[in-house]
Amino acid sequence: ETGVTQTPRHLVMGMTNKKSLKCEQHLGHNAMYWYKQSAKKPLELMFVYSLEERVENNSVPSRFSPECPNSSHLFLHLHTLQPEDSALYLCASSQEEGVNEQFFGPGTRLTVL
Amino acid sequence: DAKTTQPPSMDCAEGRAANLPCNHSTISGNEYVYWYRQIHSQGPQYIIHGLKNNETNEMASLIITEDRKSSTLILPHATLRDTAVYYCIVTANWGNEKLTFGTGTRLTIIP
Repeated sequence: ETGVTQTPRHLVMGMTNKKSLKCEQHLGHNAMYWYKQSAKKPLELMFVYSLEERVENNSVPSRFSPECPNSSHLFLHLHTLQPEDSALYLCASSQEEGVNEQFFGPGTRLTVL
Repeated sequence: DAKTTQPPSMDCAEGRAANLPCNHSTISGNEYVYWYRQIHSQGPQYIIHGLKNNETNEMASLIITEDRKSSTLILPHATLRDTAVYYCIVTANWGNEKLTFGTGTRLTIIP
């Protein structure tokens, strides 16, 4: 138990569906992150939020839309995904942006049909 | 551009010390060495980090060479639960520096 929870743990969706991934951290951290881990590829940083403001977007397609309503919650809204978007989506938090001791959630395993 | 080089896989007998090497010959003066591990189907877990001195915590020890061009993560008494992919990451600890994960070392603990 890292103090970072993610729901759902598994998600199967069609290419025309809209779904959202949720992340919650109970650590009082100010920075939150979304990562993508595809099969046989390293983790890729997608988005960084610091104090609820997006500070980095690593050229992620617009079909992925993050939202950070407060410092404890982070969402990833998904729409019109492609099969190649199937991956493990990981959320992480850290005390501040740039502090690299990050705490990761268990991830959401996403399958796009 | 990979800042670190790690062997793709290693085996270690249960109960023995697991020594995982990492080369980072281009490390700069303000960059730290971080170690994370990822057990199958879980999120990565922070293990330890250091700048130039050796570090130890309840999970592991980190030995950094004097020239800082390489380091070794030591798990003193490996258990089956230590089977995981271990990532060595070099990054500055400020501002917009981020963790960049490579392919790591797949460590298998043999009963």
